Parts: sequence; C-alpha cells; structure tokens
Amino acid sequence: SAVISQKPSRDICQRGTSLTIQCQVDSQVTMMFWYRQQPGQSLTLIATANQGSEATYESGFVIDKFPISRPNLTFSTLTVSNMSPEDSSIYLCSVDVGQKETQYFGPGTRLLVL
Amino acid sequence: KNQVEQSPQSLIILEGKNCTLQCNYTVSPFSNLRWYKQDTGRGPVSLTIMTFSENTKSNGRYTATLDADTKQSSLHITASQLSDSASYICVVTPDAGNMLTFGGGTRLMVKP
Repeated sequence: SAVISQKPSRDICQRGTSLTIQCQVDSQVTMMFWYRQQPGQSLTLIATANQGSEATYESGFVIDKFPISRPNLTFSTLTVSNMSPEDSSIYLCSVDVGQKETQYFGPGTRLLVL
Repeated sequence: KNQVEQSPQSLIILEGKNCTLQCNYTVSPFSNLRWYKQDTGRGPVSLTIMTFSENTKSNGRYTATLDADTKQSSLHITASQLSDSASYICVVTPDAGNMLTFGGGTRLMVKP
C-alpha cells in the first residue's frame, strides 16, 4: 500500500497567479500521476511524472501551463500557472505500486480561482 | 476509443437497502478493472480490483462482479449505510501501459 499526502488541501487564488501543489508518498515509487477532476466530472490524467526525466503530458495539457517536478522517488509537484476560473478543480496525485496492484490516490487539492 | 460507461449517473436509496451499480467498457484487452469510492472533496479509495480471469471480488458489504465476455461489471452494495453516500467510479486498465480509463461515476445518496 501507499499513503499519499498533498499540500495544500485547498486554496482560493486570484486570476493570473500560480499555485504549486505538493505530493508526498510514504514509499519509493517509479511513476506518479497527476489528475484533474472538474466539478461533477470524473478524473482526467494531466501527466505522468517520472523521476529523472521530463513529465509526459496528455493531450490538451502542456508543460508551460502545468509544469511538474519529480526530484526524487517520493515527491512531486504540480504547478498550475497563470490561473483562470476554468482551472478551478480538484487536483489529485496518484501512484501505482505495481501493474497488478491498485492505484492509490492522494486526498486531492481543491482549487478555486476567482 | 476505449470507453467506460457507468449507470445510473445518480441513485438515491434508503438506508438498509441493497443496490447495484453498472459498468460497461470497451477497453480490450485489459489488465484489470477497479471500483473506487470517492467521498465528496476527497480522493478515490480502492474498493476492489479484478483481473480479466476473475468473476467476483468482495470487500465487506461491497461485491464486484465481472463478465469479460459481455464486458460488464457491477458493484453490489448490501445493507447500505449513510456513509455509503459517495461517488463510485469504475476504472479499467488497458493491457498495455498504465493509462487508466475512468468511468463517469455513479453518485449514490443513502437516505435515512
């Protein structure tokens, strides 16, 4: 199993600013994932963060808007840059401890952009 | 395009009653199918995980079934409790790669 914590748990931000979300895992994992969950929607994968290499972004998401760091095997950050109200969502960090194991999710960061 | 469709979108039941949530998928082949429970404002928590060769998996009052021939899964909740009020998400992992395919979720409300 894996225990994941995220900071901050929630934030209210002004349009045009940036917010960095931290994800900490209690064990070393190869792959970490960042998801967005817009109000009333299911989860959408933003990118996969691998230690020692650039993150892999899904269609519709770009590094300039969502820069990701992965300095070690237990930590990652996601920055939401130049925010607009459309970025208001829950952002979730996730890890997969093995192909046949379940994927664990962090508690999420609830972001509201005014 | 791989898809996961869930029904119903929302459901209201009385405390103590049973209910069944449905998940139809087109992902093929697939590695595993998972059911998650997501409380409002929280991250999803795994309930069950089944490989393509498994037909059923239980976790307390939650029982998931899988029919790989018809590409259908169900999540049965027995003797519902108020704390079961949440969104239930069906997630399928394709056989290659790690990208999960999420269903839209079923929002369950259990009333006293």
